[in-house]
Amino acid sequence: DAGITQSPRHKVTETGTPVTLRCHQTENHRYMYWYRQDPGHGLRLIHYSYGVKDTDKGEVSDGYSVSRSKTEDFLLTLESATSSQTSVYFCAISPPGNLAGELFFGEGSRLTVL
Amino acid sequence: AQKVTQAQTEISVVEKEDVTLDCVYETRDTTYYLFWYKQPPSGELVFLIRRNSFDEQNEISGRYSWNFQKSTSSFNFTITASQVVDSAVYFCALSETGQVGNFNKFYFGSGTKLNVKP
Repeated sequence: DAGITQSPRHKVTETGTPVTLRCHQTENHRYMYWYRQDPGHGLRLIHYSYGVKDTDKGEVSDGYSVSRSKTEDFLLTLESATSSQTSVYFCAISPPGNLAGELFFGEGSRLTVL
Repeated sequence: AQKVTQAQTEISVVEKEDVTLDCVYETRDTTYYLFWYKQPPSGELVFLIRRNSFDEQNEISGRYSWNFQKSTSSFNFTITASQVVDSAVYFCALSETGQVGNFNKFYFGSGTKLNVKP
């Protein structure tokens, strides 16, 4: 198993509160991603990172920010959570080299915004 | 425009039936990868197969087989003699090489939910 852990795994919060989801990897991979999964939409890319302090927006980045101060940690922040951000969030890593092009996923973080 | 289309939202079959899950993709890259992932009811995402754009050979792994056709931009997945444990959501995905080193951008289809009934 790829060493990816997400925390918290479940969270219920209220509209307008800040939320931070953490993704921690032990693989020392350069590339990390945050996806959200919603019925009918599959997995959509929120933000990704290609190195420490190197991040960029994905297709659904509005309302989210990320930070990567260390190789092993990729944080996803909702500055002011809204009900539309209720979702399951997956972190993923991608190794370089021969396995380039394969994603390894964390177990997901289920966020409910009331 | 959707880069990966899985037109079948949900399929129900009876155990032992064969079932094919369709995937159509769109890309301008000449080098790309295609994937299938399985998401069982427990929620984790499980990698099933990766195909690169230069390898159009079909692949068989046990009851699973994949048909990659560049001419129709399709990468279909067939389960032979389906079993209840095959019940899951299946995602097709496309990976394109980005502009930063070996970084790959991944695009997922919306998924096909497969129900296999005993």
